[in-house]
Amino acid sequence: EDQVTQSPEALRLQEGESSSLNCSYTVSGLRGLFWYRQDPGKGPEFLFTLYSAGEEKEKERLKATLTKKESFLHITAPKPEDSATYLCAVQAKSGGYNKLIFGAGTRLAVHP
Amino acid sequence: NAGVTQTPKFRILKIGQSMTLQCAQDMNHNYMYWYRQDPGMGLKLIYYSVGAGITDKGEVPNGYNVSRSTTEDFPLRLELAAPSQTSVYFCASDGEANTEAFFGQGTRLTVV
Repeated sequence: EDQVTQSPEALRLQEGESSSLNCSYTVSGLRGLFWYRQDPGKGPEFLFTLYSAGEEKEKERLKATLTKKESFLHITAPKPEDSATYLCAVQAKSGGYNKLIFGAGTRLAVHP
Repeated sequence: NAGVTQTPKFRILKIGQSMTLQCAQDMNHNYMYWYRQDPGMGLKLIYYSVGAGITDKGEVPNGYNVSRSTTEDFPLRLELAAPSQTSVYFCASDGEANTEAFFGQGTRLTVV
């Protein structure tokens, strides 16, 4: 069964304290892995797409990496404005369409 | 350019009532999606559309219906609301299947 698991469920960091969020997946025929940021009361906002093992993408203090079984979202020297829920989703072929399977997310809180 | 617009933002329904959640996008995207997000769970796909006049079921379609008469609009209809439909509903669109999807702000629905 296709599945996406994110860990930890919640993470509290001090400003400047770097860390990583994990997204592990089991899916037949991975077509892509997506990271989204979601602020309270808002819809998810696209961050990155990764397509193949070894690929890396960066945006400001965030860097996403991908292996054959998991992806990491590395946060370097976070600031309070990085506080949000980070969602991981994998794209897999299912019947006639490419379905997106979302993880439950990691709630990140960065304190000054 | 408003992106994806959902209305209403909040709604309380009584059991057995019906309602339509509206979704409109102004990016000329062919692909549109309806998701529900329950606490501690990933987003689940309800219905999707690959273009005007074409819709199909996602993972959790029971109790819902959709239509797509124009490229811009993708309303979600709830018939005979049940407490299990209490959730936050997100509409999304993208130019290609499940790439950089743009999400609306969400509709928080409570069925009592």
